[in-house]
Amino acid sequence: DQQVKQNSPSLSVQEGRISILNCDYTNSMFDYFLWYKKYPAEGPTFLISISSIKDKNEDGRFTVFLNKSAKHLSLHIVPSQPGDSAVYFCAASGSNFGNEKLTFGTGTRLTIIP
Amino acid sequence: ETGVTQTPRHLVMGMTNKKSLKCEQHLGHNAMYWYKQSAKKPLELMFVYNFKEQTENNSVPSRFSPECPNSSHLFLHLHTLQPEDSALYLCASSQGVSGYEQYFGPGTRLTVT
Repeated sequence: DQQVKQNSPSLSVQEGRISILNCDYTNSMFDYFLWYKKYPAEGPTFLISISSIKDKNEDGRFTVFLNKSAKHLSLHIVPSQPGDSAVYFCAASGSNFGNEKLTFGTGTRLTIIP
Repeated sequence: ETGVTQTPRHLVMGMTNKKSLKCEQHLGHNAMYWYKQSAKKPLELMFVYNFKEQTENNSVPSRFSPECPNSSHLFLHLHTLQPEDSALYLCASSQGVSGYEQYFGPGTRLTVT
């Protein structure tokens, strides 16, 4: 049973437009969420995180929104650039467990069209 | 370059072979992790070491045996693997196990024949 779900395996967005990647979770104990980005032949790299005490966290072109009642988070990238083409993983954990119980989604492949 | 290196990058082994994967981190972190990524599946956490002590073993079969001689090095010893063990094995490290993002190595692509 997947506790973190990324229902869109792929997404294509025009350069300059907004990319929105979605993630749903089922475990109500999750209170810390992260996004990782992965290029081919490289390991995932940390992008941005949010704890459940906030509903939004922004870092440059990247913003993560958390809707606790819907158990849903999303990553917005604006404006999208060709270098953003990668696989994006959503991950979640409970603060009592941290990385020892980090659960990942299956990833969404984002392609930015020039 | 994330400061986490893995060797080898690719490995093909038979089911009766014994091999080891190596991970080294140059970040001064205290926690290290092994993950498995199979096709179309989420990253699966296998083992966690914090200050060289194993703190998590996610029901991993005994044919996978981790070793952490110090906070900078992590090994995954493999023996009598099955074809379904073919996957990308990723190592990661973090400053601590709570509230710290992980830094991943590039992975070892393992094929079991």
